[in-house]
Amino acid sequence: EAAVTQSPRSKVAVTGGKVTLSCHQTNNHDYMYWYRQDTGHGLRLIHYSYVADSTEKGDIPDGYKASRPSQENFSLILELASLSQTAVYFCASSVQGTGQLYFGEGSKLTVL
Amino acid sequence: GDSVTQTEGQVALSEEDFLTIHCNYSASGYPTLFWYVQYPGEGPQLLFRASRDKEKGSSRGFEATYDKGTTSFHLRKASVQESDSAVYYCALSGGSNYKLTFGKGTLLTVTP
Repeated sequence: EAAVTQSPRSKVAVTGGKVTLSCHQTNNHDYMYWYRQDTGHGLRLIHYSYVADSTEKGDIPDGYKASRPSQENFSLILELASLSQTAVYFCASSVQGTGQLYFGEGSKLTVL
Repeated sequence: GDSVTQTEGQVALSEEDFLTIHCNYSASGYPTLFWYVQYPGEGPQLLFRASRDKEKGSSRGFEATYDKGTTSFHLRKASVQESDSAVYYCALSGGSNYKLTFGKGTLLTVTP
């Protein structure tokens, strides 16, 4: 049974609209992450969190917000979606200090 | 900041060929190095890691040796199979191991 689940798995949004990507983990991990995957750029860290009710900026946070209401849930919010945010987004969780990330299956976002 | 440079683009091989994907890193201190693999339609998953100079990581016939002198962690496999077709990511983490920096990924395509 998948330990990191993302929803939706695929979404088409309009420019300027609001998009929320959700992530749920059953690993009991403290750390959760949102990465963006683009051809030619690999995986880039957007936001992460190491405790509920707190989030940290990653390497490319502009245009994104994050929310961690509980240990199990971590959301990525695009308040005003733009064409350049078309990508596949991955959520992951990890145990502190191991560097081993457990990824979800990804959410493909297309902004038109 | 930390960075990872790996063989760019695509590597196309035939079954039983020898594989090398180059990975070089730039980081302060003594990072832990990782190889992740991503199969089609899935999220990345850890292949193996190494955390000290000359340490060899290995899994599923793949191996890489941490070389601090040349700041490298090249992925090798003696005889690839069609089932090895996937995207391979080299990554590193700093001292606390909570945040990973990924390379851009290398698509391996193996034909029978």
